[in-house]
Amino acid sequence: AQTVTQSQPEMSVQEAETVTLSCTYDTSENNYYLFWYKQPPSRQMILVIRQEAYKQQNATENRFSVNFQKAAKSFSLKISDSQLGDTAMYFCAFMKPPSLIQGAQKLVFGQGTRLTINP
Amino acid sequence: DTGVSQDPRHKITKRGQNVTFRCDPISEHNRLYWYRQTLGQGPEFLTYFQNEAQLEKSRLLSDRFSAERPKGSFSTLEIQRTEQGDSAMYLCASSLGLRAGSEEEKYFGPGTRLTVT
Repeated sequence: AQTVTQSQPEMSVQEAETVTLSCTYDTSENNYYLFWYKQPPSRQMILVIRQEAYKQQNATENRFSVNFQKAAKSFSLKISDSQLGDTAMYFCAFMKPPSLIQGAQKLVFGQGTRLTINP
Repeated sequence: DTGVSQDPRHKITKRGQNVTFRCDPISEHNRLYWYRQTLGQGPEFLTYFQNEAQLEKSRLLSDRFSAERPKGSFSTLEIQRTEQGDSAMYLCASSLGLRAGSEEEKYFGPGTRLTVT
């Protein structure tokens, strides 16, 4: 079974600083997907960024980028120029490739990191 | 709003009572997922539907839990004889699978927070 570990329960930085959230995972699969989700207080979980394991290039979405180290099974999220609206729980998640039989795969989440951006 | 909706948003019940939650996915999304999130933890998978077919169930889904998606649109999750350990946020997500083996973005609802007293 796959496991995802986020070793930082809470982090806090000043606005405009750069922050990196850590995530490690365990799997025997060679191909898979990794995600970072953001869950703002009392709001819906939204996808921040995704990475396909077969792609060596690290994914980037505006101020959000990842450092994907497949051999080390590490997948960290870097938020540049942090903003007050980035305050949220951040979850790292793993997913096996979609099944041709079942059509989809479940997400396996880490425990989350509570990120606070201070003004 | 065309996002995933869930009803109710909050439910307080006494131990032993039955509760039912509803999820309305994004229109035309054929895949629907239920997750449970306890305080301070990440969501855990409960079950998955493709159209009206329930294709996967987690071992977390004891026989007190049942989920349906009768017409391939909205889904209900029922918990019978609730226990205090059932207190959690129940999240629904949906996605559009255009073909077998495709991976697509999952959209989450706001969740139903259940408190069992």
